[in-house]
Amino acid sequence: DTAVSQTPKYLVTQMGNDKSIKCEQNLGHDTMYWYKQDSKKFLKIMFSYNNKELIINETVPNRFSPKSPDKAHLNLHINSLELGDSAVYFCASSLGRGGETQYFGPGTRLLVL
Amino acid sequence: RKEVEQDPGPFNVPEGATVAFNCTYSNSASQSFFWYRQDCRKEPKLLMSVYSSGNEDGRFTAQLNRASQYISLLIRDSKLSDSATYLCVVNLDTGRRALTFGSGTRLQVQP
Repeated sequence: DTAVSQTPKYLVTQMGNDKSIKCEQNLGHDTMYWYKQDSKKFLKIMFSYNNKELIINETVPNRFSPKSPDKAHLNLHINSLELGDSAVYFCASSLGRGGETQYFGPGTRLLVL
Repeated sequence: RKEVEQDPGPFNVPEGATVAFNCTYSNSASQSFFWYRQDCRKEPKLLMSVYSSGNEDGRFTAQLNRASQYISLLIRDSKLSDSATYLCVVNLDTGRRALTFGSGTRLQVQP
């Protein structure tokens, strides 16, 4: 019974391609997040959605576009991938509107060649 | 000054040792505090929340010092399985409704 799941787990692609990562949570939580963890292991928030409404949109290139079809799903689409996009992308969810305990998915390791 | 700051380590300790990590945060109005654990190539997982009066969970003790704006994590009787990166996490209450993660302190427990 995976609480927060992400697909794919690994993604290797060429510069310039477009790719999507999907996230689903079965915890009944209202808020979902996307984080990026770079090679220095620093975990940085990118976006958060509460009940399909965008509430955090950090300074992220507009090549990154989140989409939340319902409160249990949050997808991340990346256009025109660049070398610097290589990182681990984590999805997370929390019960309230943010600032409380978050539960993470297993991560998607993206490598752009 | 970083919003949430930790010593990156690594802390190399023998099995059975007691080890403590500190973490400082920038906003005195910060609301909630957590320690997360992240194993190599895995996702962060909640270790424990940190309460104002301090709290203990088995071998782990967390403390909050609001006056000095730091939280601490004490691990007693270290096990090999405690080897991981420990992330200090704070709700800085800047109106952003998000958690801010420190860059983590790496612990290596040696036999």
